[in-house]
Amino acid sequence: AQKVTQAQTEISVVEKEDVTLDCVYETRDTTYYLFWYKQPPSGELVFLIRRNSFDEQNEISGRYSWNFQKSTSSFNFTITASQVVDSAVYFCALSEAYSGNTPLVFGKGTRLSVIA
Amino acid sequence: NAGVTQTPKFRVLKTGQSMTLLCAQDMNHEYMYWYRQDPGMGLRLIHYSVGEGTTAKGEVPDGYNVSRLKKQNFLLGLESAAPSQTSVYFCASSRDRVSTEAFFGQGTRLTVV
Repeated sequence: AQKVTQAQTEISVVEKEDVTLDCVYETRDTTYYLFWYKQPPSGELVFLIRRNSFDEQNEISGRYSWNFQKSTSSFNFTITASQVVDSAVYFCALSEAYSGNTPLVFGKGTRLSVIA
Repeated sequence: NAGVTQTPKFRVLKTGQSMTLLCAQDMNHEYMYWYRQDPGMGLRLIHYSVGEGTTAKGEVPDGYNVSRLKKQNFLLGLESAAPSQTSVYFCASSRDRVSTEAFFGQGTRLTVV
């Protein structure tokens, strides 16, 4: 069965520091998708990025970057020059194409606190 | 555009009472989901639907029932609320099960006393 592990429960950084949120996944499928969501203090879940298993290119979007490594089953998320507005809970999630019908499975989340 | 709308946003129930959470989406998505979020547990899937008239159990279905009579609506029912069902409930929808992102409602904070 698919599984997503976010080992970091809480991280606290000072503004302008870089921070990496780890995500390790388990799947037997060769075709799967990985996602990151942000949940700010207001509570809603905001989609950040999607990556399929055949695309290992790293992605950069402004201060955000994602590193996908199939060899280590990891999909890590880095925030460069963190800001207070980055304070949120971040979830990594996985969906498999062929193994059963189970939809998106989430990790337990990492709470990031950015201190001014 | 509304996206995914949940009703109500907050509710307090007494143990043993029943209630229905409403979820509506205006994106014509086939797939709809109910998750619950508890501290330290992330989001856990309660039930989901792969299309109008269908429902399926997720990871934590006990104590809940669902219905999808119309494509745009997905209802979550609690027949006899228990304190263990105190949680924040999220509804979500997606165009397909695997490759597209899920869009989430704003959440319903339910307290059972």
